[in-house]
Amino acid sequence: DAMVIQNPRYQVTQFGKPVTLSCSQTLNHNVMYWYQQKSSQAPKLLFHYYDKDFNNEADTPDNFQSRRPNTSFCFLDIRSPGLGDAAMYLCATSRGANTEAFFGQGTRLTVV
Amino acid sequence: GEDVEQSLFLSVREGDSSVINCTYTDSSSTYLYWYKQEPGAGLQLLTYIFSNMDMKQDQRLTVLLNKKDKHLSLRIADTQTGDSAIYFCAESIDTDKLIFGTGTRLQVFP
Repeated sequence: DAMVIQNPRYQVTQFGKPVTLSCSQTLNHNVMYWYQQKSSQAPKLLFHYYDKDFNNEADTPDNFQSRRPNTSFCFLDIRSPGLGDAAMYLCATSRGANTEAFFGQGTRLTVV
Repeated sequence: GEDVEQSLFLSVREGDSSVINCTYTDSSSTYLYWYKQEPGAGLQLLTYIFSNMDMKQDQRLTVLLNKKDKHLSLRIADTQTGDSAIYFCAESIDTDKLIFGTGTRLQVFP
């Protein structure tokens, strides 16, 4: 059974139109991460939550926001998607530092 | 600083061994990981090694760590076509963050 679930698998949005990607987990892990992965590149960490504590990476654009209403769910909001935001967005969870991270299948975002 | 590098491509014949290399710069890395990513999918943890170990073997996988040179390798014995994927090494440095390498695309041909 899938433990980290991302919906939808594929998302098409219009340039400038807000979009939300969702992630849920059944592992009860403390940490939830959002990574952006562009074609042929390494996953790049955007931000992560340790419980309710939000940790933003210094180079994450303001256009990207996140919400974690409870342990199980975490959302990635892109306020005004640009063409350069087209990528695979990966959600992951872990129990904390130096533990295995479990990844979802990803959401591939297309901006038209 | 945090920087993890890998060679981009590796091509091997089915049945041969594959060796994927990774270098990292942060000497305070505590755990180093190898993840596999198949086309259009998320990342799957293959194996990991704690920084005070030199080697770890897990079935067809052997991880070697040279801490002095900050070099990590993954050896896949008897490589199969199903092993074709992108392999990422990653480090964690006593934080909740995983820093990924650039990925090595492994192609296995018959």
